[in-house]
Amino acid sequence: NAGVTQTPKFQVLKTGQSMTLQCAQDMNHEYMSWYRQDPGMGLRLIHYSVGAGITDQGEVPNGYNVSRSTTEDFPLRLLSAAPSQTSVYFCASSYGGLTGGYTFGSGTRLTVV
Amino acid sequence: GEDVEQSLFLSVREGDSSVINCTYTDSSSTYLYWYKQEPGAGLQLLTYIFSNMDMKQDQRLTVLLNKKDKHLSLRIADTQTGDSAIYFCAGGTAGNTGKLIFGQGTTLQVKP
Repeated sequence: NAGVTQTPKFQVLKTGQSMTLQCAQDMNHEYMSWYRQDPGMGLRLIHYSVGAGITDQGEVPNGYNVSRSTTEDFPLRLLSAAPSQTSVYFCASSYGGLTGGYTFGSGTRLTVV
Repeated sequence: GEDVEQSLFLSVREGDSSVINCTYTDSSSTYLYWYKQEPGAGLQLLTYIFSNMDMKQDQRLTVLLNKKDKHLSLRIADTQTGDSAIYFCAGGTAGNTGKLIFGQGTTLQVKP
């Protein structure tokens, strides 16, 4: 049981480049979320999903796309990277949504130059 | 929408009790959580409380919920240097299908 796996752990992008942050869980969790963490701002919800084929926007969705074609995977796409997207990104999953509590991945540290 | 506020920093001596406070705005918040983040790591679920409870105790951790004031606290008894970390309060409403909103986090510094 690997839990929530995020790849890569570190990434440097140039402004305007695109990339996909990967997130996979092997716990058969229906609920998955993406957060970004910035100093002094806590974690802010980017997008979330309540099951395969269903996604919705969180607090800060602009500049990011998601899809959920399988229960296991929930990739986050940066369409055209900007320095403001420099952050630590966390993926989380839960079996029962709020009733189950969320399990977090170890994060992806992204720098956009 | 939901807003969750925390003080940013707390310093205590080893062996003392620590109390980390959190306020939330959405009175319909049903689930309230405390997460711990150690340097360079992800978030670890410490404990949680449902809105129909006033208190929950789990070993050294005590969570108090004041629904009238929308105030949540986490008390750590006999604080150890290993408790030094960032502590996040998070809340969600059952009708929001799993959305969890976090506070800014409180950095706990434990001095030997």
